[in-house]
Amino acid sequence: GQQVMQIPQYQHVQEGEDFTTYCNSSTTLSNIQWYKQRPGGHPVFLIQLVKSGEVKKQKRLTFQFGEAKKNSSLHITATQTTDVGTYFCAGRTTDSWGKFQFGAGTQVVVTP
Amino acid sequence: NAGVTQTPKFQVLKTGQSMTLQCAQDMNHEYMSWYRQDPGMGLRLIHYSVGAGITDQGEVPNGYNVSRSTTEDFPLRLLSAAPSQTSVYFCASRERTGRGQETQYFGPGTRLLVL
Repeated sequence: GQQVMQIPQYQHVQEGEDFTTYCNSSTTLSNIQWYKQRPGGHPVFLIQLVKSGEVKKQKRLTFQFGEAKKNSSLHITATQTTDVGTYFCAGRTTDSWGKFQFGAGTQVVVTP
Repeated sequence: NAGVTQTPKFQVLKTGQSMTLQCAQDMNHEYMSWYRQDPGMGLRLIHYSVGAGITDQGEVPNGYNVSRSTTEDFPLRLLSAAPSQTSVYFCASRERTGRGQETQYFGPGTRLLVL
């Protein structure tokens, strides 16, 4: 079945530094979404990517969908303490529009 | 709009007890789903519904039942609680715009402890 893997599981970042988290699928995806969950909170939708090679930016966050539509990345520049949380990717295939498979998430800790 | 609401926020059960987790949305979304979240495992899909009267199993459906009699409500029933069902449960609803945007909106979650 479809597997979505995220690396790294943990990311310890100094405030002001950049970092990237990666999402890899065992199957070709029709689209991929990214969510952020603050400690004790619920997942909040960030963005959706649907096109091969697509790149989208939200202020300091850059999201990319791979050419083969089997991997994605989230790059954060100049990390701030407000970036603390767990970032999840979730993908689905064309024939499973009812089901998004979530990765295990990357937990981000920011040191001032 | 209240968005997606879940009750209760916290619940403690004894093994073998049954209970229903409530979920409601006021956004007229056709698609609703239930996930459980365990440490280090992300969110796993339990059941989902693509509209009133239509439900289907997700990744981890055993021990849970759902029904969808209205667009707004999607309750999750634990038939006979087990310690392995200790988790945080999230309900989500999803819109689907004409341009294919499938934003999922999550409720605040229910923390369940089964003793």
